[in-house]
Amino acid sequence: SQQGEEDPQALSIQEGENATMNCSYKTSINNLQWYRQNSGRGLVHLILIRSNEREKHSGRLRVTLDTSKKSSSLLITASRAADTASYFCATVLGGANSKLTFGKGITLSVRP
Amino acid sequence: GAVVSQHPSRVICKSGTSVKIECRSLDFQATTMFWYRQFPKQSLMLMATSNEGSKATYEQGVEKDKFLINHASLTLSTLTVTSAHPEDSSFYICSARPPETGGPEAFFGQGTRLTVV
Repeated sequence: SQQGEEDPQALSIQEGENATMNCSYKTSINNLQWYRQNSGRGLVHLILIRSNEREKHSGRLRVTLDTSKKSSSLLITASRAADTASYFCATVLGGANSKLTFGKGITLSVRP
Repeated sequence: GAVVSQHPSRVICKSGTSVKIECRSLDFQATTMFWYRQFPKQSLMLMATSNEGSKATYEQGVEKDKFLINHASLTLSTLTVTSAHPEDSSFYICSARPPETGGPEAFFGQGTRLTVV
């Protein structure tokens, strides 16, 4: 069963703008991860935030986590056409070999 | 990062035949691998967790006799879709994590587009 629910489901922005994607989940988690998927390809890990963290940065990515609201957001700053892809949040409930439970995904289109 | 390779990337088969998909961890050993299925414009649904040297753990609703998983070595897991039907057409993706010291993020294969005709 799916754990995360992202919104919006689709987002279209102009190159250079910022893109904000939100994810909500239902249960307690160990960590939350964001992945990117180009059309017809596998997933690429972007960033991970642990349950005891509130914000992390990696390059143009900023992720926040609010465990009281069971929600996370991914911000991509200064978007580029190459950022066009589907983005998924995924939650991990347990230890290292625990499964990932994915949200429905957000389709981001960045117009040149 | 770690590399997971999946083969083939695309396969077309006739109804009633079986298809084998391979998932290899190229630069690390994986005692556990995960198999997902993805329908167009939808999320990934976990099918099963493949465990090296033991039986796979299937998610509820996944037919283990139809989707055979073999994890015979620390670098290879295979998914065999048996007696394939058109409704089995989908995108299948595997993932693995390097050993515990490597962190909880998963690395994915490129995916296999299965079309059953």
